[in-house]
Amino acid sequence: LAKTTQPISMDSYEGQEVNITCSHNNIATNDYITWYQQFPSQGPRFIIQGYKTKVTNEVASLFIPADRKSSTLSLPRVSLSDTAVYYCLVGDVVTSGTYKYIFGTGTRLKVLA
Amino acid sequence: DSGVTQTPKHLITATGQRVTLRCSPRSGDLSVYWYQQSLDQGLQFLIQYYNGEERAKGNILERFSAQQFPDLHSELNLSSLELGDSALYFCASTPGQGARDANEQFFGPGTRLTVL
Repeated sequence: LAKTTQPISMDSYEGQEVNITCSHNNIATNDYITWYQQFPSQGPRFIIQGYKTKVTNEVASLFIPADRKSSTLSLPRVSLSDTAVYYCLVGDVVTSGTYKYIFGTGTRLKVLA
Repeated sequence: DSGVTQTPKHLITATGQRVTLRCSPRSGDLSVYWYQQSLDQGLQFLIQYYNGEERAKGNILERFSAQQFPDLHSELNLSSLELGDSALYFCASTPGQGARDANEQFFGPGTRLTVL
């Protein structure tokens, strides 16, 4: 079974760049890597998705090495409102051939003034 | 607002009881996903339906079952409830089948289940 791990928590100051890494050493072939942000008592919200190399959108960048066994979410110039829990999501094909979605363990980011 | 609705918002019940959680996907989305989020287990994938058929299955207990109806709304049935079933239950939806599709999952606000 795929194990998808992330650092438990990180602290940062406003205006700094934050990089959060997810290890997914058993990612399913041809599967995408997706990152979500979650605030307390709310559903996760999509941030960014990628398959290979680097993807950038208006809020974040995603770096994926060639072996795709990890990915790094980069948040430029964080603000207090970025304080949340961040999850990566990958797919896994288990031995029975069925597909399942695996969320990472989550990283609690605290942005300080 | 993601466009995904879930009812009820809160549910309090006793051990041994049975409850039904309801999810309406975004307009036009054919896939519905169910997740359980508890403090000690994080976000756990339970099951996915695509256009009425089961598409992917996670660590869903035998006491739990789900279905997707012709109007595409979905229900998650939890029976013989135990204290450990207390959690937030989220539903998400996507237009396509998921599983290697570049699909962003849109999550509902969740149903908080408390089993006493």
